[in-house]
Amino acid sequence: AQSVTQPDIHITVSEGASLELRCNYSYGATPYLFWYVQSPGQGLQLLLKYFSGDTLVQGIKGFEAEFKRSQSSFNLRKPSVHWSDAAEYFCAVGGVEYGNKLVFGAGTILRVKS
Amino acid sequence: NAGVMQNPRHLVRRRGQEARLRCSPMKGHSHVYWYRQLPEEGLKFMVYLQKENIIDESGMPKERFSAEFPKEGPSILRIQQVVRGDSAAYFCASSLSGGNGEQFFGPGTRLTVL
Repeated sequence: AQSVTQPDIHITVSEGASLELRCNYSYGATPYLFWYVQSPGQGLQLLLKYFSGDTLVQGIKGFEAEFKRSQSSFNLRKPSVHWSDAAEYFCAVGGVEYGNKLVFGAGTILRVKS
Repeated sequence: NAGVMQNPRHLVRRRGQEARLRCSPMKGHSHVYWYRQLPEEGLKFMVYLQKENIIDESGMPKERFSAEFPKEGPSILRIQQVVRGDSAAYFCASSLSGGNGEQFFGPGTRLTVL
């Protein structure tokens, strides 16, 4: 079955500390990979995406993610977290093998403590 | 350049009533997707439409739910005889092309069934 796993439901980091949010997908030789951020009561904003090419992708707001095919992973990272980064983060997978839809993980809620 | 628009943003219905959710895609986009987000869960694909055609409705409940994207006007997600379990956030996304073109999300409609 096509699934996306975000193993951490909640993560708390101190402001200024580094961040890594984990994402694994179950299926697909050529996945398209996405990270979205959602603030409470808001829609989804695309942080970054991977279709092909360089496996380290840069996104908005200082985020980056690395695609590791051998681990079926697409972890999101930020070297220094800001209080405004507190939100919920969703990993999503699409691609030919997923048809016309995106399959989302359950999300990781990030809390930032000052 | 307006993004994806959804209305209403909040909708309250009593059990047994009908809910109509509207989505206007980004200008020039002819591909529309509907997703549902249940409380504390990720987004789940419901249906993918192009103008006047349903392309993939594999995520739609078999009863009470329908979707359309007419030649003119917004896409409509219709839920008949709503039940409490329909309470969720419903997100619409649009893309310029199908086949996993990047999807842009609207702010969502939050449906509450009393």
